Amino acid sequence: AQRVTQPEKLLSVFKGAPVELKCNYSYSGSPELFWYVQYSRQRLQLLLRHISRESIKGFTADLNKGETSFHLKKPFAQEEDSAMYYCALSFYAYSGAGSYQLTFGKGTKLSVIP
Amino acid sequence: SQTIHQWPATLVQPVGSPLSLECTVEGTSNPNLYWYRQAAGRGLQLLFYSVGIGQISSEVPQNLSASRPQDRQFILSSKKLLLSDSGFYLCAWSANTGGSYTFGSGTRLTVV
Repeated sequence: AQRVTQPEKLLSVFKGAPVELKCNYSYSGSPELFWYVQYSRQRLQLLLRHISRESIKGFTADLNKGETSFHLKKPFAQEEDSAMYYCALSFYAYSGAGSYQLTFGKGTKLSVIP
Repeated sequence: SQTIHQWPATLVQPVGSPLSLECTVEGTSNPNLYWYRQAAGRGLQLLFYSVGIGQISSEVPQNLSASRPQDRQFILSSKKLLLSDSGFYLCAWSANTGGSYTFGSGTRLTVV
């Protein structure tokens, strides 16, 4: 079965320090991975997806199939990065009606200290 | 462009009362629709998903049910709420070809 693990519930870093939010996955197929972010009082929104290989708000994430990881990184944290971050894995569920689904990790709360 | 609307934003209901949360999507056809519950420290739990009108799949047994009376409308219901139904409920949609989800703004339900 597919699984996403985010080992840190809370991560506190100082402004300007590097940030790495860890995500490991377990999936027998070819994974499609995402990072979602939820800022205070805002809706959960897509931050980036691995197939895009892009940098959003200074964040990047590289899929490492050997280590089954998709860590989120930013070289210099900003106060506005403080938020809840979720790693997610997309897979096709053949049970029931069958559909693409997302499995989420439990999330990491990032707190950037001024 | 596609938009997703979810209401109400907050709801306080007594134990034993019924529930109806509504979610609608605009700007797309035949979306996959999802109901999640978000709990602190527990991530997002998939409750129901739907690939078409009248087609509902349940992921966990519970006191809740879902319906899809129209292509872009998804409703979460309960006949009798329990205290344990309190939580933050999120609706989401995705294209039926997979990819990312777009989430609604959520409903904070408190059962008292």
